[in-house]
Amino acid sequence: QKEVEQDPGPLSVPEGAIVSLNCTYSNSAFQYFMWYRQYSRKGPELLMYTYSSGNKEDGRFTAQVDKSSKYISLFIRDSQPSDSATYLCAMTGGGADGLTFGKGTHLIIQP
Amino acid sequence: ETGVTQSPTHLIKTRGQQVTLRCSSQSGHNTVSWYQQALGQGPQFIFQYYREEENGRGNFPPRFSGLQFPNYSSELNVNALELDDSALYLCASSWTASAYNEQFFGPGTRLTVL
Repeated sequence: QKEVEQDPGPLSVPEGAIVSLNCTYSNSAFQYFMWYRQYSRKGPELLMYTYSSGNKEDGRFTAQVDKSSKYISLFIRDSQPSDSATYLCAMTGGGADGLTFGKGTHLIIQP
Repeated sequence: ETGVTQSPTHLIKTRGQQVTLRCSSQSGHNTVSWYQQALGQGPQFIFQYYREEENGRGNFPPRFSGLQFPNYSSELNVNALELDDSALYLCASSWTASAYNEQFFGPGTRLTVL
């Protein structure tokens, strides 16, 4: 079993829909959780950052972390074609151990 | 504030050769991390350098090595290339050595090993 599981998709939804992306993990030492967006032929860029359990909202994006279930989610409201990209969840316990990423979900927003 | 840059963009090598990839961190960032992203996979942590010393390493063999220089540039060296080394190599810089600090990624170098 991989440390972080993420459905690779593709996930295709119509413009304006609410998108739900999620990851599960097995390492209880993870305390910091991130969502990165990666466009084709580009490096990942940070979208959302959450420490421990809870919700965080930033514009159309909401990140949720449930440490008891080892489950994290990213919601995108009013999805736009420009949101089409690969979304990577990432997490770490801190220190110098780097980030552990999921496989990424390929999201397609249909105009 | 300039972003993270990497060179070259693409590279083709043959099995057994050695390769050096380069990264220029954002000004002021004293930590650089390197990741390997195979096709269809998420990035995997190779190692991290903080103030020119390696201070964290993922599950990669010693033929993967690096250097960090005082001018915010760094290198990833891979010896004895194998076919499975074909991937996108990403560097990321950050203000401090703690992984929870935001890491700014470069566009990557795509390495193909034939």
